[in-house]
Formats: sequence, structure tokens, C-alpha cells
Amino acid sequence: DTEVTQTPKHLVMGMTNKKSLKCEQHMGHRAMYWYKQKAKKPPELMFVYSYEKLSINESVPSRFSPECPNSSLLNLHLHALQPEDSALYLCASSQGVNSHTEAFFGQGTRLTVV
Amino acid sequence: GDSVTQMEGPVTLSEEAFLTINCTYTATGYPSLFWYVQYPGEGLQLLLKATKADDKGSNKGFEATYRKETTSFHLEKGSVQVSDSAVYFCALGGGGSQGNLIFGKGTKLSVKP
Repeated sequence: DTEVTQTPKHLVMGMTNKKSLKCEQHMGHRAMYWYKQKAKKPPELMFVYSYEKLSINESVPSRFSPECPNSSLLNLHLHALQPEDSALYLCASSQGVNSHTEAFFGQGTRLTVV
Repeated sequence: GDSVTQMEGPVTLSEEAFLTINCTYTATGYPSLFWYVQYPGEGLQLLLKATKADDKGSNKGFEATYRKETTSFHLEKGSVQVSDSAVYFCALGGGGSQGNLIFGKGTKLSVKP
């Protein structure tokens, strides 16, 4: 199983809402990632979890709050977002965080903030 | 720091044409190199990888060779199909404090019947 599963596939939320994005993998990978992708751009790294601990936070605003409940699950909690936060949010996982391991990506959550 | 530069396109080809998408990199170490593909409305899929100099990655008719002397990892396919229409990203393994992958800007390929 080389699948990373993200839910929901689409999400529309108001600027005062609280919502969560979910990601799951069963490949035994110990590193998990959140990326943000705007139209016609490459993915931008947001957060990296290694062995369930946050190892990288790329200066992401606090309205985005990651959580890694266990080695298979990764959540992204959203609160008080702005319209410019509308994007495709991609989850990925890899065996480790080094320069030789490939990452496996989910299908993404298409987020629209209204 | 490490970086990837790829031709931005868009690239438009007729079916059965030869494809080349150029990718060059700057790296302090000897990272692995990757090509990812993103079909419309989907996430990224790993297309191929190469882990060291002179390695050739291949998959679904696509090939790329890790060239240390020219710091390049160009993607090629001998005969493209309409179904190959997608955005292609070249990436290098950043590791360490740079996270996992450093992406190029992506090249959109459109193949016409």
C-alpha cells in the first residue's frame, strides 16, 4: 500500500470557521509533511513531522496548527483563515527526512475560504 | 543553498513527438533527484528517481539521467501521448533542515491529438 489518504477532498469555509484537514498513511513512514500549493506554482513546505515530533515550521501563521496524533495520522487545524489561504493542501510521507528518500503525496484538499 | 531550475513552459507537442524538459540543480552534497507529475485536479505522483551520478531513472517510457558534470536531470520521452498532459516537477532531496524536497517551478505539458 503506497497510498496517502487525505480528507476531505474539497472544503469551503468562512473566515470565522474552525475546520480540520486529515491525512493518513499505512506505509510505516516516520516523516509526514504538509505542503500548500497555489495555482500554477510548486508546492511550498509548511510543516515537517519526524517521529511524531514537529521538526520544521516554515514560518507558517498561527491560524494553521498541525497535529500528529500517531505515526500514521497527521492533522491540520484551521482557524480564522483569510481568502488568500485558499489553495490545494497536500500531505506527504516518507521513510525519513534525508536527501535520498522519495515522498508519497495524497490527492490533496482543495480549500476555499470565503 | 540547494536549488532546482527547470524550463517553465508551457510546452505544447503533437502526439508521438519527442519530449525534453530541462532541469538543472545546485547542491552542496549528493542528493537524490526526482521527477514528479501532477495531473489536473490531483496530487503529485513520483514519476522516477535517481540516487547517484550516472544513474538513469525510468518509468512509463520516461527517462532521466543524473549528470553530475553538467548538474542536470533532463526528462525525456520518445513518443508522448495525450494522456501525458500534466505538470512536471523536477525536485532534489533536501534533507536536514530543508525538509524533504526542493522543487523546480514546474513545466506544463499539453499534448494535442
